[in-house]
Amino acid sequence: GDSVTQTEGQVALSEEDFLTIHCNYSASGYPALFWYVQYPGEGPQFLFRASRDKEKGSSRGFEATYDKGTTSFHLRKASVQESDSAVYYCALGGTGNTGKLIFGLGTTLQVQP
Amino acid sequence: NSKVIQTPRYLVKGQGQKAKMRCIPEKGHPVVFWYQQNKNNEFKFLINFQNQEVLQQIDMTEKRFSAECPSNSPCSLEIQSSEAGDSALYLCASSLNRHQAPLFGEGTRLSVL
Repeated sequence: GDSVTQTEGQVALSEEDFLTIHCNYSASGYPALFWYVQYPGEGPQFLFRASRDKEKGSSRGFEATYDKGTTSFHLRKASVQESDSAVYYCALGGTGNTGKLIFGLGTTLQVQP
Repeated sequence: NSKVIQTPRYLVKGQGQKAKMRCIPEKGHPVVFWYQQNKNNEFKFLINFQNQEVLQQIDMTEKRFSAECPSNSPCSLEIQSSEAGDSALYLCASSLNRHQAPLFGEGTRLSVL
């Protein structure tokens, strides 16, 4: 079945460091891909999505490019801030056209000042 | 601020008790989702609706889970006989259509003692 794999469970950085969180997916066709961020005590917040090969999504300084060849949608940010500390989830739109999302296990980002 | 409203924020039940939580979707959003997020951050899709009709649901194998989205009333998720393993964050989300990224509420945290 469809699945999402986030390689890093936890990432620790200092402010102004470059961030990469790896996301790979397994699905047929061209599923829509999403990034969400979740802060403690809150629900997930949508960052951006992409649905075509080579399409780039971006928001709040974060970006990711849909790569059908490597089945990836890696999240990147050039310079992280302490306020970016949160859990980041990659998700894909499941088959069946019902809108259901399949989430990865999340990556906890901790940014030190 | 438009958003998805979930009540209550916290729910404590004893094993065997009924647990009911409610969700008011974003105004104008006909598609509503319920997810369960466990303590390991894993998301489990439960069910989604378009207007009052079920689009997709898990096998609700336990038969203890039921959900509805009646017209002109909040959506609801009910667990008939709570078990310790049901302790989790229950997230409601809504979207304008099946392709748009869902907007999540802050969740109802259920603790079954």
